Order: sequence, then C-alpha cells, then structure tokens
Amino acid sequence: DAKTTQPPSMDCAEGRAANLPCNHSTISGNEYVYWYRQIHSQGPQYIIHGLKNNETNEMASLIITEDRKSSTLILPHATLRDTAVYYCIVRPDTSGTYKYIFGTGTRLKVLA
Amino acid sequence: EAQVTQNPRYLITVTGKKLTVTCSQNMNHEYMSWYRQDPGLGLRQIYYSMNVEVTDKGDVPEGYKVSRKEKRNFPLILESPSPNQTSLYFCASSLRFYSGNTIYFGEGSWLTVV
Repeated sequence: DAKTTQPPSMDCAEGRAANLPCNHSTISGNEYVYWYRQIHSQGPQYIIHGLKNNETNEMASLIITEDRKSSTLILPHATLRDTAVYYCIVRPDTSGTYKYIFGTGTRLKVLA
Repeated sequence: EAQVTQNPRYLITVTGKKLTVTCSQNMNHEYMSWYRQDPGLGLRQIYYSMNVEVTDKGDVPEGYKVSRKEKRNFPLILESPSPNQTSLYFCASSLRFYSGNTIYFGEGSWLTVV
C-alpha cells in the first residue's frame, strides 16, 4: 500500500521555484521523509530528507508541516536538468516490513 | 567514491537460461535491496537483506533468489528467467535500514528475456 500521495505531474518555468507536494498522513513519529528523483531511467538520486524541521541543502529545501502529515520539496531555481520523476517516501512503521515504498511519484517538466 | 555497482547493465537472454545480476557496494552498508521498475508500476521491491546471511522477500519475489555471503555483495539470481521478468532492475544500499540513513542506488540493469 502506498504510504505517500503525490500529484502525477507538474510543469514549472525555467528559473522559477518548483514546489512539489507530498501527503503522508499516516506517518509515525520516528519516520523520516525522503525525497528522490529519477532522471529518465537512471538510478534514483537522493535529494534530501527530514524528520520534523525544515531542511535545506545545495539541491533543495524541504518544508514539513507541523503535524508532519505533508511536506513540500522546493527546487528554488528550476533548470531544464531538473526535469525528472520525483519520489517522496517514508519508511513504513510496520514491524518487520523492511522496505521503502515508492509510489508513482510526480513527473516534473521544466519548461524553457 | 561511494558507489553501488551493478552488472551487467544490459542483457538479452533466453527463457530458462539461468542468470545472475551482481550488485556490489563500497560503503560497508548493512542493508541492501533489489527493486524492479516497470512502466506504470513504479519501483517494487524484490528482496532485501538486513545484513550478511539475513535476507527476506519483498513485494515481488517470485522467480528470484538472492544471497548475502559478504557484506558488500548482494547478487540477484534468476534460476529460470521468463519474459515477464523483462524489466529494469535496481540495487540499493544504506548503512542500516533505520530512518535517517540515505539510500544509494545503482545505475540499473536492463534485462530482456525472449
């Protein structure tokens, strides 16, 4: 069962901020939210992760709501190379279920 | 450089001919996993390993075997491949399964079974 919900696709103008939402309403207190992206059929690439606080690195920012039921990945100045499928995942909390569940992600298209 | 290396990257094989896709990581990671990716179905976990000699089934284990005799290697074995195993395969690893550890993915192995 999918643990996260993301819009299937989004467009963003080059140079503008891309804001990708993710719903994870069943997240438990000790689960992190991870974001990955996949460009064409390459291996998924780590972007960022967080637990409660907002996080920022050289690639993106992650905003997590106070109730932790949703988050937003922000690419501050999207470029054409950011066109990819973006996955939001959380680690399932079911004991003994040691797998990361990838949904179908959001296909982001950055437009020139 | 931290790496997860898969081989072969591309393979066309015939039904029933046993094959092995190797996966190796150089980060001393305990947790390793195999996924397959098919159009419209996203990434689905085949098998995972929490550590040496500890493996378990994921969501789609039928037709696959794995072994974890060394920490760095986690080969995926198709004893008798069938056309429905034509897919893009990814190996992944992380220090441990627990939250907070980054997952690293290999570049993928395209497998076609005819």
